[in-house]
Amino acid sequence: NAGVTQTPKFRVLKTGQSMTLLCAQDMNHEYMYWYRQDPGMGLRLIHYSVGEGTTAKGEVPDGYNVSRLKKQNFLLGLESAAPSQTSVYFCASSWDFRGYEQYFGPGTRLTVT
Amino acid sequence: DQQVKQNSPSLSVQEGRISILNCDYTNSMFDYFLWYKKYPAEGPTFLISISSIKDKNEDGRFTVFLNKSAKHLSLHIVPSQPGDSAVYFCAATGSARQLTFGSGTQLTVLP
Repeated sequence: NAGVTQTPKFRVLKTGQSMTLLCAQDMNHEYMYWYRQDPGMGLRLIHYSVGEGTTAKGEVPDGYNVSRLKKQNFLLGLESAAPSQTSVYFCASSWDFRGYEQYFGPGTRLTVT
Repeated sequence: DQQVKQNSPSLSVQEGRISILNCDYTNSMFDYFLWYKKYPAEGPTFLISISSIKDKNEDGRFTVFLNKSAKHLSLHIVPSQPGDSAVYFCAATGSARQLTFGSGTQLTVLP
């Protein structure tokens, strides 16, 4: 089992460019999440999904869109990147949002110049 | 307004001694708490959790204590080992389908 994988690992974007981050999990988890981690801020939830075809906003959703067309994949899109979106992005998955730990991917380091 | 706070950005302890990491929360609706460990260039990994119906949970060298009246939880690591050096995040959840994380504490265990 690969667990949770993220593509790419690193990316540099210019302001205004777009990109998609891909998250894949092979544990048949229903729930998937996208977080961003910034210095001194911990992890903040961007969007999450409770099942295939569903998405919901988290704490900091502005500037991001997501899609969950297949159960095993969760995509995070930036339509027009801004320097404030420079961060490390983590994807996670779990059986449920309560009582079950979330399994995290290795992260994607994104720099927007 | 941070609902989960880890007020110590860093902590250093000697190998073999006890490490105590602290976490405070403000939202009284939180009823499940977790600790995650994170090594550099890796994602966080789940360590231990506790439900609000308990005040203590043990797993090997790791024990989490919950004081609901003080809205405080702590993670004890005994004995501490150099491999425990990492960033530790506490997290909390309630009826909302979200984990709220603290800002993390960097633990360094000195050989």
